[in-house]
Amino acid sequence: DAGITQSPRHKVTETGTPVTLRCHQTENHRYMYWYRQDPGHGLRLIHYSYGVKDTDKGEVSDGYSVSRSKTEDFLLTLESATSSQTSVYFCAIGLTSYNEQFFGPGTRLTVL
Amino acid sequence: DQQVKQNSPSLSVQEGRISILNCDYTNSMFDYFLWYKKYPAEGPTFLISISSIKDKNEDGRFTVFLNKSAKHLSLHIVPSQPGDSAVYFCAASDNQGGKLIFGQGTELSVKP
Repeated sequence: DAGITQSPRHKVTETGTPVTLRCHQTENHRYMYWYRQDPGHGLRLIHYSYGVKDTDKGEVSDGYSVSRSKTEDFLLTLESATSSQTSVYFCAIGLTSYNEQFFGPGTRLTVL
Repeated sequence: DQQVKQNSPSLSVQEGRISILNCDYTNSMFDYFLWYKKYPAEGPTFLISISSIKDKNEDGRFTVFLNKSAKHLSLHIVPSQPGDSAVYFCAASDNQGGKLIFGQGTELSVKP
């Protein structure tokens, strides 16, 4: 299994508070991704990174920002959490620009 | 606008029989397709993939078929086992920047 960890694994927060989720990899993969999973929507891409300090928006990027200052870490920040951001968040890594991605265990975020 | 669709939210199959999961796509630029399997409280795991230059790819009990003219792919599991019970996601890529587009998922239940 690819070495991907996500922290925290569970978080409950209140509307309007900032939240940062962390993804850490030990595989030295160039590409890193943040997805959210919601019933009826499958997995939707929020943001992705194709190298240190190189990031781009995905399908559902509004309300989210990311940073990647090291190859192994990719941070997802909700500047001011809303209830619509209650979801399960998955980080993924990829060696090449396509082909398979490998997923972390997920973070369940609840915004009250 | 859902570019990748899994129209069956759930499927129930008897142990030992064939499971067929379907996926349709609309973007003719997609050239690589993947299936992922997801157990509850875990991240998706890569199962099998197929390039658009092929129409079939086999890996043990799992076979993926691609019909480009119909923009349709299917995953066959033979024989189905109770441990195959999970949510299955199909995904597609157009080799533009490393993004995968996922379907909504199909929950497979294999009954003993």
